[in-house]
Amino acid sequence: DVKVTQSSRYLVKRTGEKVFLECVQDMDHENMFWYRQDPGLGLRLIYFSYDVKMKEKGDIPEGYSVSREKKERFSLILESASTNQTSMYLCASSFQGARNIQYFGAGTRLSVL
Amino acid sequence: QQQVKQSPQSLIVQKGGISIINCAYENTAFDYFPWYQQFPGKGPALLIAIRPDVSEKKEGRFTISFNKSAKQFSLHIMDSQPGDSATYFCAASSGGSNYKLTFGKGTLLTVNP
Repeated sequence: DVKVTQSSRYLVKRTGEKVFLECVQDMDHENMFWYRQDPGLGLRLIYFSYDVKMKEKGDIPEGYSVSREKKERFSLILESASTNQTSMYLCASSFQGARNIQYFGAGTRLSVL
Repeated sequence: QQQVKQSPQSLIVQKGGISIINCAYENTAFDYFPWYQQFPGKGPALLIAIRPDVSEKKEGRFTISFNKSAKQFSLHIMDSQPGDSATYFCAASSGGSNYKLTFGKGTLLTVNP
């Protein structure tokens, strides 16, 4: 089974802090994604990566950056956390040969106080 | 601009009944339409998917109906069970180099025993 692991299930941070959310996948997938999930808004794509050191902006990249130094790891960075970034963050990965099938982690619920 | 519109936002069905969730899209370049199922505390998981060359796809109690001319597709859950209670997301993507899935806002399904 594909496993996508997010390092924290719950995270509480202060406004202005730099926050790192980590995601690791164990299936050698080329593509990785970061979404945020908010009630009534569904899943919105923040950033995605189709190769090491490659990244592309999704629909809501403002206030976020990403890093992919190794194929299995994709990090989401909040440079200066704000209260409106309180949300559930979901990481996903997909295989290049079946790139429409995305496998999700369990999510990190981030609260910014 | 919301490219995939999903309804209803929530749905309550009795055990044994039929659950129907509808989605409509605008982008005629979309050529892959998956449904994801998300249980509380878990990430979404692919449930069933369809491509526009067929009008219906069935897997067990789950069926996708697709109407290309109307740009609509729907998920039908036959003989709904309490274990089907979850949030369901429709999504769409286009081919080529686009790795992105565009998600609907989700439907919270509750199946009463």
